[in-house]
Amino acid sequence: QKEVEQDPGPLSVPEGAIVSLNCTYSNSAFQYFMWYRQYSRKGPELLMYTYSSGNKEDGRFTAQVDKSSKYISLFIRDSQPSDSATYLCASPGFQGAQKLVFGQGTRLTINP
Amino acid sequence: DTEVTQTPKHLVMGMTNKKSLKCEQHMGHRAMYWYKQKAKKPPELMFVYSYEKLSINESVPSRFSPECPNSSLLNLHLHALQPEDSALYLCASSQKSVDYEQYFGPGTRLTVT
Repeated sequence: QKEVEQDPGPLSVPEGAIVSLNCTYSNSAFQYFMWYRQYSRKGPELLMYTYSSGNKEDGRFTAQVDKSSKYISLFIRDSQPSDSATYLCASPGFQGAQKLVFGQGTRLTINP
Repeated sequence: DTEVTQTPKHLVMGMTNKKSLKCEQHMGHRAMYWYKQKAKKPPELMFVYSYEKLSINESVPSRFSPECPNSSLLNLHLHALQPEDSALYLCASSQKSVDYEQYFGPGTRLTVT
């Protein structure tokens, strides 16, 4: 079992829809979670960074961690064509670990 | 300035060539990383430098040789590569070594012929 699992999609939704992107992780000791966005032929860009449980909101983006089910989510409200990208969840695993473990990435397309 | 720059953007090299990739950041970050990314896959960590010292080598073949001349610069020296080494090579930096907010550069797209 991979430490961080993510459905690779692809996911295609109409403009304005609410998008839900999800990952699961295997170890309940994981505490830090990140979401990166990667446009085609570009490097990943850090979108959101959460610690432990709960929600974190930044504009149209909300990151959610449910430790009881080991589930992390990224919600995008009022999705725009410019949100079309690959979204990667990541976690360093254990506190103090230097290495990020990435999910496979979900390719998202927002159709105008 | 939250930018990590990488040169060159594209590189084509033969299997007998020697080339280098360069990465630079001026954010005062003390940890720098090399990742390799194949198409439709997530980035895979290769090396981590922390305070200019190599702290992680993910069992990378010796044909890849990293170098950190100073806290702002990171190089990746390439020699006798194989076609399967063709990939996007990403550099990243973070404020300190145990810091999960990593900033990535745009990458160098490497093709080995």
